[in-house]
Amino acid sequence: AQKITQTQPGMFVQEKEAVTLDCTYDTSDPSYGLFWYKQPSSGEMIFLIYQGSYDQQNATEGRYSLNFQKARKSANLVISASQLGDSAMYFCAMREFDRGSTLGRLYFGRGTQLTVWP
Amino acid sequence: DVKVTQSSRYLVKRTGEKVFLECVQDMDHENMFWYRQDPGLGLRLIYFSYDVKMKEKGDIPEGYSVSREKKERFSLILESASTNQTSMYLCASSVPRDPNTEAFFGQGTRLTVV
Repeated sequence: AQKITQTQPGMFVQEKEAVTLDCTYDTSDPSYGLFWYKQPSSGEMIFLIYQGSYDQQNATEGRYSLNFQKARKSANLVISASQLGDSAMYFCAMREFDRGSTLGRLYFGRGTQLTVWP
Repeated sequence: DVKVTQSSRYLVKRTGEKVFLECVQDMDHENMFWYRQDPGLGLRLIYFSYDVKMKEKGDIPEGYSVSREKKERFSLILESASTNQTSMYLCASSVPRDPNTEAFFGQGTRLTVV
């Protein structure tokens, strides 16, 4: 079963509008972290925002916020006031920490290609 | 500025060649990872290492091996390159068991096997 599901292969948004990128996850561990990364066409992975499973408040970083709904196991990324430079691939990822492993490996979704148009 | 550096951005190799992809990090991280990225499939874990000389298979280890002789360096080896290994390869590092820290990625290596 997929640990991370991103159901939107592509999304389009007009400049200055807000956009939500969906992410659902699957884990039975009580302790985990959720991450969003941005990958421009140049290829580098840029960390955007993090949410811990025990965090009570939704994470925010500038124009990025994470809509964390624990009971639904969803961790949607909201980008407010989209800019042309936001056009990129966006990946949702998860780390689990209570599986008896010290590794904390990251599981990734398949990504959502966001296109911002003027 | 923290860094994960991959030795090549672009690489073209012939079928059957032995290929080495090198990754170096300067953050003294215990964990290092090799991912493969293909369109529509996201990032898939090939191998990871949680200490020097320690390694674990990820989800798609077939056709690959790894080496970690020093903490800062993690090498991915394609024993006999094949065209279906044409892909983007991403190296990452992280601290173990810290839920508050992200993984740091290299710039990626686009490998073409002809």
